[in-house]
Amino acid sequence: GQQVMQIPQYQHVQEGEDFTTYCNSSTTLSNIQWYKQRPGGHPVFLIQLVKSGEVKKQKRLTFQFGEAKKNSSLHITATQTTDVGTYFCAGRGGSQGNLIFGKGTKLSVKP
Amino acid sequence: KAGVTQTPRYLIKTRGQQVTLSCSPISGHRSVSWYQQTPGQGLQFLFEYFSETQRNKGNFPGRFSGRQFSNSRSEMNVSTLELGDSALYLCASSLAGLRDIQYFGAGTRLSVL
Repeated sequence: GQQVMQIPQYQHVQEGEDFTTYCNSSTTLSNIQWYKQRPGGHPVFLIQLVKSGEVKKQKRLTFQFGEAKKNSSLHITATQTTDVGTYFCAGRGGSQGNLIFGKGTKLSVKP
Repeated sequence: KAGVTQTPRYLIKTRGQQVTLSCSPISGHRSVSWYQQTPGQGLQFLFEYFSETQRNKGNFPGRFSGRQFSNSRSEMNVSTLELGDSALYLCASSLAGLRDIQYFGAGTRLSVL
C-alpha cells in the first residue's frame, strides 16, 4: 500500500538556524498537506500544495511540492522557539485512497 | 465558529471493556475522519465518514468501528479493549470539497489498564 516517509525523525537546532524536513511518497500524490503539532496539542493545518513543482511561502516557512508529485519539503528560515513541535506531511494517492500521514519530524529549538 | 469537539478528553478503561468516543465537527463540515496517535506509530488512519457513509477504512481490526449521524456528529467504538489500544484518538473534520484539509479536535486520551 501507499507509504509516506518523512525524514529526519528528530532535529535539534540552535535558535536562528534553518530547518528542513522532507516527505517522500511511494506513489504519486494528488496533493500534499503539512500540519504542525505543538507539544501536548493536536495537529494544526498549515498548507496544501496541489500543483507539480509548486512553492508556497508563509513568512519564514517555505513549502515545496516535487515535480513528480511524490515528494515535498518544508523549510524554516531562522528558527524561533515558537517553531518547536512535530511537523507532519499527509498525502492521498488518489480519490479512493486513504489520507496517509508521515511519522513526523520533531523539531526542538535551543534558545 | 466553534472548532472540533471531542468527548471525553480522558478515559481510563481495563482490558476487555469497550469504549465509545464522540466527535462534533465544525459546523458545515460533513466529512469526519478518525486517527489513532501513538509515539511509535504516529498518526494512523482509522475511518472516514461522509454523509453518514463510511468512505474509507484503515488497517485496524474489526474491534474498531464507527458511525456518523445525520447532523455529521460521529462516534467511534472500540470493543474488547487491549493494552495496545492505549493512545490519543483524534477526530478531524473537513469541508466536502476540501477533504484533505483537516481540522483536528483536541483528542481523547485513552488508557487501557
